[in-house]
Amino acid sequence: KNEVEQSPQNLTAQEGEFITINCSYSVGISALHWLQQHPGGGIVSLFMLSSGKKKHGRLIATINIQEKHSSLHITASHPRDSAVYICAVGDYGGATNKLIFGTGTLLAVQP
Amino acid sequence: DTEVTQTPKHLVMGMTNKKSLKCEQHMGHRAMYWYKQKAKKPPELMFVYSYEKLSINESVPSRFSPECPNSSLLNLHLHALQPEDSALYLCASSQDSVVAGGPLWNEQFFGPGTRLTVL
Repeated sequence: KNEVEQSPQNLTAQEGEFITINCSYSVGISALHWLQQHPGGGIVSLFMLSSGKKKHGRLIATINIQEKHSSLHITASHPRDSAVYICAVGDYGGATNKLIFGTGTLLAVQP
Repeated sequence: DTEVTQTPKHLVMGMTNKKSLKCEQHMGHRAMYWYKQKAKKPPELMFVYSYEKLSINESVPSRFSPECPNSSLLNLHLHALQPEDSALYLCASSQDSVVAGGPLWNEQFFGPGTRLTVL
């Protein structure tokens, strides 16, 4: 079992829909990342959070430390949101910053 | 300046070639990272430099040789690569500062990557 699990692995939505991507982890963490990667492209950090909720534009990320679970929500989805969304957690107590990555969720938003 | 830059964007090389990938950041970060990413897989950590010293080598073959000439630059020297080394190579940086009573862990900023093809 992976230390970081994401669901769903693939997601197709219609433009305008509300989207939720989930991440569960089994290790102690300092913080959790949500990352975005467009096909063939580099990685953009969307959020880093260690508690509660953060909002940036149409994106909202929440984390429940007790349940070891985080969600990424996209409101009013748009075709340009089509990308791979990756959850990654910081290796708690590591000698240096080391991320444990989930396997990603491939999102396709159709017009 | 809040970005990590990588050059070149694309690189095609033969198995006998020697080439280098470059990564640069001017955010004052003291930790820099090399990752390898195969298609449809998450990034795999290769190396971590902390204060210009190699702190993590994830059992990477010696045909990959990292170098951190100063706090802003990170190189990855490539020699005698194999076709299976073809991948997206990502660089990242973070503050890597330990603040008394504060978080040990800092946000990593990623570069756009170099797409490497080994023929």
